[in-house]
Amino acid sequence: KQEVTQIPAALSVPEGENLVLNCSFTDSAIYNLQWFRQDPGKGLTSLLLIQSSQREQTSGRLNASLDKSSGRSTLYIAASQPGDSATYLCAVYNTDKLIFGTGTRLQVFP
Amino acid sequence: GAGVSQSPSNKVTEKGKDVELRCDPISGHTALYWYRQSLGQGLEFLIYFQGNSAPDKSGLPSDRFSAERTGGSVSTLTIQRTQQEDSAVYLCASGDPGPTEKLFFGSGTQLSVL
Repeated sequence: KQEVTQIPAALSVPEGENLVLNCSFTDSAIYNLQWFRQDPGKGLTSLLLIQSSQREQTSGRLNASLDKSSGRSTLYIAASQPGDSATYLCAVYNTDKLIFGTGTRLQVFP
Repeated sequence: GAGVSQSPSNKVTEKGKDVELRCDPISGHTALYWYRQSLGQGLEFLIYFQGNSAPDKSGLPSDRFSAERTGGSVSTLTIQRTQQEDSAVYLCASGDPGPTEKLFFGSGTQLSVL
């Protein structure tokens, strides 16, 4: 059974810091891995999708890497801003559905 | 519509009552998913539709839960004889099938069972 773990569970940093969020999964037979952002009281917004054959994806200040063999992914956020405060969820696509981790709650203070 | 729409946004009900939650996916998306998010927990998969059929119902927690999709579009999730442990945010997502496409989520229905 696929299990997805994210560390840290929560993170509070001053504005401007570069951040690394970690995601690990137990079954490397995945089709893709996705990172989402969730704001309080709202649904999820897709940030990055990495295919199983890819090593990384970049969008603006965000960079996600994937090491399928070791079952790990990292989300790198450069020059963090208060607007980045949210919960970040990683999810792996297994067979026919996304399996989510429990998320990292990020707070960036001015 | 422009995005995935869910209704109601909030639902308060008494224990033992039945509730229906609605999801309007993005037009043209054939895949539709229901997830549940309990307080402080991750997203729990409930059911997946491809068109009108549900090839994967493995996440439905009990026979009190059922879902249907009609016309390859709107889906309803029904919870019968609600219990307090059913209280959660119910999220719907749609996308094109296959592992190459992103999923788009609605804002969810916050269900509170008193």
